[in-house]
Amino acid sequence: QLVLTQSPSASASLGASVKLTCTLSSGHSSYAIAWHQQQPEKGPRYLMKVNSDGSHSKGDGILDRFSGSSSGAERYLTISSLQSEDEADYYCQTWGTGIVIFGGGTKLTVL
Amino acid sequence: QLQLQESGPGLVKPSETLSLTCTVSGGSISSSSYYWGWIRRPPGKGLEWIGSIYYGGSTYYNPSLKSRVTISVDTSKNQFSLKLSSVTAADTAVYYCARLAWDFAVSLRYFNSWGQGTLVTVSS
Repeated sequence: QLVLTQSPSASASLGASVKLTCTLSSGHSSYAIAWHQQQPEKGPRYLMKVNSDGSHSKGDGILDRFSGSSSGAERYLTISSLQSEDEADYYCQTWGTGIVIFGGGTKLTVL
Repeated sequence: QLQLQESGPGLVKPSETLSLTCTVSGGSISSSSYYWGWIRRPPGKGLEWIGSIYYGGSTYYNPSLKSRVTISVDTSKNQFSLKLSSVTAADTAVYYCARLAWDFAVSLRYFNSWGQGTLVTVSS
């Protein structure tokens, strides 16, 4: 069964970097995923796609502070030079056979 | 620039049918490149995919909701709609519509444009 696993929470200091992880279930390590950001009281925003080879493709207007990478079954979202507006929920998402799957989301707190 | 706007009643009674519409502007819902989808976020929980539709009418549904969900499309109005029957308090959520793109190279369908969402409360 295709499942995406995310840590429920993460925190980092203003101006620092943070790396969020999305783990694909066993047997699905070749899957690409997408990352979405949801700031408080706003609709989600598409950030980027991340492929199994670590290449990534960002959405329109997504800042250079956001980047993606991969290792095995893990897909990463790295945010550098953290700003207060980066405090948000981050979701990974993929496509199974006829179904959309979301990870449980990571709540990022900027200290 | 593509915009998606959800509309519909904010309050629905238990056992009744929830009905929402998504109006697409700045682009055509009849594009062959995209599906269109509904997603919800219950209070205190994460995102849950409900289902998606192609302009030609083919659909994908979340298996856990499939028996209660109908998604339809009206290309003349550039809209697509959601009906969720027999609602309970567990269906209280912010409902979002979004565009589902296809990356053929990596077999990934992914949402690349989202609406702002509309809160639907199920209560008598």
